Amino acid sequence: GAVVSQHPSWVICKSGTSVKIECRSLDFQATTMFWYRQFPKQSLMLMATSNEGSKATYEQGVEKDKFLINHASLTLSTLTVTSAHPEDSSFYICSARTFQETQYFGPGTRLLVL
Amino acid sequence: QKEVEQDPGPLSVPEGAIVSLNCTYSNSAFQYFMWYRQYSRKGPELLMYTYSSGNKEDGRFTAQVDKSSKYISLFIRDSQPSDSATYLCAGSLGGYQKVTFGIGTKLQVIP
Repeated sequence: GAVVSQHPSWVICKSGTSVKIECRSLDFQATTMFWYRQFPKQSLMLMATSNEGSKATYEQGVEKDKFLINHASLTLSTLTVTSAHPEDSSFYICSARTFQETQYFGPGTRLLVL
Repeated sequence: QKEVEQDPGPLSVPEGAIVSLNCTYSNSAFQYFMWYRQYSRKGPELLMYTYSSGNKEDGRFTAQVDKSSKYISLFIRDSQPSDSATYLCAGSLGGYQKVTFGIGTKLQVIP
């Protein structure tokens, strides 16, 4: 199956700093990538849909100025959590859609903001 | 009402048992249905992908979709301890529309 990687796998940062998470599709081109957030014992919550070369579409309640998404190429999308606070601590997962419309997920990035 | 409803479990079964995992959904426009497996602290892994109603089999896994009742199922035969994970069902309109996930059912297969 298609492989999606994420980097870093975990990050600890101080409150107020910005954190960038990379999502790469390793063996296919993804015109669409998705960013999810998952809190403990809760389902995946879609944050935004990222299309290559255009602005991301954010879900209701997600601050676009806080969660900056860049999808500059067909294999790379980045999520930057700006001025992170403890309530932003979560498991962030990206996925990439293939031409067959199935989504393949990355391994996730665990963010802890102190 | 959530678009995709799923019992969070946990569901405990003995090794070798047949496992039945189920979801209901409310959006009758959903065309694509998926089951993902998620191990603790890992990203979800696509298990099964079906279009519209019907059955699909892959090894020990069988996915069923009944659009008339808006019911989707995943059956696992000869369950193994390595099947212990959280299983998420999902539906989508297709055509590059977003995928909506259930909360996930935690399954534990006891040796």
